[in-house]
Amino acid sequence: EAGVTQSPRYAVLQEGQAVSFWCDPISGHDTLYWYQQPRDQGPQLLVYFRDEAVIDNSQLPSDRFSAVRPKGTNSTLKIQSAKQGDTATYLCASSHRGAEQFFGPGTRLTVL
Amino acid sequence: QQKVQQSPESLTVSEGAMASLNCTFSDGTSDNFRWYRQHSGKGLEMLVSIFSDGEKEEGRFTAHLNRASLHVSLHIREPQPSDSAVYLCAVSPPYQGGRALIFGTGTTVSVSP
Repeated sequence: EAGVTQSPRYAVLQEGQAVSFWCDPISGHDTLYWYQQPRDQGPQLLVYFRDEAVIDNSQLPSDRFSAVRPKGTNSTLKIQSAKQGDTATYLCASSHRGAEQFFGPGTRLTVL
Repeated sequence: QQKVQQSPESLTVSEGAMASLNCTFSDGTSDNFRWYRQHSGKGLEMLVSIFSDGEKEEGRFTAHLNRASLHVSLHIREPQPSDSAVYLCAVSPPYQGGRALIFGTGTTVSVSP
């Protein structure tokens, strides 16, 4: 069974540029999570979906970050006008209801 | 807001010795506690999850939960060099359409041969 896949694996941007991250969850998993993990810190939740609905986006910097999951399967996280403080690894995870979350390998973002 | 703290920040153990990691949390309403491992540059691997006070063993990894003390620990029996990684404690609130995990900052474990 394929795990959670993410792309790209790495991204390097100048401040002010936009970037999108893509996540393909495990088939049949209805819940999808996006976490931000700054270097040497634990992951911090940004947003999560149950099917196509946003359950919690309270930690998403809404002025520059957006996330969608239009058909309740794949998801895209976008950063408009990236800042150096956005440098981090972005992790996607999926689960069935409240069961174990399976994590993807992450996208490592560097903003210069 | 739930806060999760881990100690020590780093730990060096000899191969075959017991390694013990600690995690404290601030909100006793959480009902789900997990330990993850993250090798350098890799994703997260769940080691053990525990839901009630007491002990749960998964292979060489044992978690102990004491809700009254707001404390959960992880013990690694007979650690091997391949166990060298960052260990993350994660706590989640009761199910609300999902389980958003709140992580500690991690303990870096180095196992020397």
